[in-house]
Amino acid sequence: DAMVIQNPRYQVTQFGKPVTLSCSQTLNHNVMYWYQQKSSQAPKLLFHYYDKDFNNEADTPDNFQSRRPNTSFCFLDIRSPGLGDAAMYLCATSRPRDRGSKAETQYFGPGTRLLVL
Amino acid sequence: DAKTTQPPSMDCAEGRAANLPCNHSTISGNEYVYWYRQIHSQGPQYIIHGLKNNETNEMASLIITEDRKSSTLILPHATLRDTAVYYCIVTVPGNTPLVFGKGTRLSVIA
Repeated sequence: DAMVIQNPRYQVTQFGKPVTLSCSQTLNHNVMYWYQQKSSQAPKLLFHYYDKDFNNEADTPDNFQSRRPNTSFCFLDIRSPGLGDAAMYLCATSRPRDRGSKAETQYFGPGTRLLVL
Repeated sequence: DAKTTQPPSMDCAEGRAANLPCNHSTISGNEYVYWYRQIHSQGPQYIIHGLKNNETNEMASLIITEDRKSSTLILPHATLRDTAVYYCIVTVPGNTPLVFGKGTRLSVIA
């Protein structure tokens, strides 16, 4: 059964045209993450939510925004996609027992591959 | 930046054990060692993690040296489906996000 779902699996957009990628989870995890993975590179964290608390990585461009309307859903908005934003976008979840507890595993979705024309 | 060093690639014959090394000489006392793998065009998949004791699960074994400066992931009987990029990550407890290094590309050969 799918636990972290990303739709669509492939997304094509035009240069400068806003695009939204979606992620949903059936695990009831309180932490959700968005990673960007460019070709032949490792995943790179963009931001994460701990419950409703948003945590942006220092080097994440302003062009990238996120929304988490509830526990199950999280969205990645790219306001003006450039050719350099073409990548695989990975959503992940985790549920630490509490802050400072033993490190928890992260569960990744299959990713959305974004193509910018 | 990733705090681990891994060989960029390795080959392994199908049915043999695959031993993937990882150096993490600057690991701190409260950091765990995690291993993930990423099969082509899929999201990363958790394999195993440990603090200082050796660990085993249905997928793999993790051997951590006594000084905790290095570890080895062992796939006891590699299959073609184990071909993937394997990432070794050190992370503090709690919800600290993962920092991926370049990983090791393991090719299992028939």
